[in-house]
Amino acid sequence: EVQLLESGGGLVQPGGSLRLSCAASGFTFSTYAMSWVRQAPGKGLEWVSAISGSAGSSYYADSVKGRFTISRDNSRNTLYLQVNSLRAEDTAVYYCAKGSPYSGTCFDVWGQGTMVTVSS
Amino acid sequence: EIVLTQSPGTLSLSPGERATLSCRASQSVSSSYLAWYQQKPGQAPRLLIYGASSRATGIPDRFSGSGSGTDFTLTISRLEPEDFAVYYCQQYGSSPRGTFGGGTKVEIK
Repeated sequence: EVQLLESGGGLVQPGGSLRLSCAASGFTFSTYAMSWVRQAPGKGLEWVSAISGSAGSSYYADSVKGRFTISRDNSRNTLYLQVNSLRAEDTAVYYCAKGSPYSGTCFDVWGQGTMVTVSS
Repeated sequence: EIVLTQSPGTLSLSPGERATLSCRASQSVSSSYLAWYQQKPGQAPRLLIYGASSRATGIPDRFSGSGSGTDFTLTISRLEPEDFAVYYCQQYGSSPRGTFGGGTKVEIK
């Protein structure tokens, strides 16, 4: 069964940092691009960042560029998101999502999400 | 950057009725790289439609997608109780980024 399991969320003060992880299983991880997508409470979906299967290319939304860093360890089948300089507006559920055979940013599998709350 | 506008914001219908959801893009979506997702409360989104009109694996045939260019539609032919949810469109072809629309909530009338 294809699964994605996020972890690493929590309560952090403004300006703080966290590292989110996403453990993948049930598919050849290195073959697929992966992304992080977030959803603020009661709001819609916002694509945050993507990384190619080889980790050779990465992309960011303007809202997080320079503060967030996406990476992956294909030997551990794990995706990461290092989130720094956190702001209140970064409060959201963060989902990892698997790129589909149709496109790297058309997502056919999603994790259950991990909540990040930025508050003093 | 392509902006996707979904309408209506909320659709109030009864089980068995037909639902028609709209997604309009600010510029043409290349090669119909348009997807639809369903999200129920407390759950992650689920891919329904890709390529504007192709159903994802395991999606019932009461769900259908159509459109091209800047205007796209998701149709649910007869609403089942489990179909009441929020639906998002997404364009994924013009860049490595995947822009989402604001969503349409389908609620029970």
